[in-house]
Amino acid sequence: ETGVTQTPRHLVMGMTNKKSLKCEQHLGHNAMYWYKQSAKKPLELMFVYNFKEQTENNSVPSRFSPECPNSSHLFLHLHTLQPEDSALYLCASSQGTSGYNEQFFGPGTRLTVL
Amino acid sequence: DAKTTQPTSMDCAEGRAANLPCNHSTISGNEYVYWYRQIHSQGPQYIIHGLKNNETNEMASLIITEDRKSSTLILPHATLRDTAVYYCIVIVYGGSQGNLIFGKGTKLSVKP
Repeated sequence: ETGVTQTPRHLVMGMTNKKSLKCEQHLGHNAMYWYKQSAKKPLELMFVYNFKEQTENNSVPSRFSPECPNSSHLFLHLHTLQPEDSALYLCASSQGTSGYNEQFFGPGTRLTVL
Repeated sequence: DAKTTQPTSMDCAEGRAANLPCNHSTISGNEYVYWYRQIHSQGPQYIIHGLKNNETNEMASLIITEDRKSSTLILPHATLRDTAVYYCIVIVYGGSQGNLIFGKGTKLSVKP
């Protein structure tokens, strides 16, 4: 248990569906992250939020829409996804975004797009 | 951030020390070496980090060469639960954006 929870753990959706992934951290951290891990590929950073403000968008397609209402919650809204978007989506948090801040990861959401 | 090179895979016998190497020959003076691991289908887990001195914690030891161009993560008594992908990451310590850039890592298989 890392103090970062993600729901749902598994999600199957069609290409026309709209769904949301949720991440919550109970560590009092100020920064939160979304990563994508496709099969046999390294983890890719998607978005970074620091004090609820988005500080990085790593050229992510607009069909992925993040939302950070407060420092403890992070959402990833999904719409009109493609089968190649099937992946493990990981959320992480850290005290800040500076390099000395250890990141704590959630268990991930396994997404399958049909 | 400096690039790292790690072997694709390694085996280790249970109870023996696992020594995982990492090459980071272009590391800069303000960059730290971090190690994370990812057990199958779980999120990555922080292990240890260091600058130039050797470091030890309850999970592992980190040995960094004097020229800082390479390092070795040591799991002193590997168990089956240490089977995972281990990532060596170089990152600017205290920089404004300390993003983790994951490579392919080393898949460590601990065998009975």
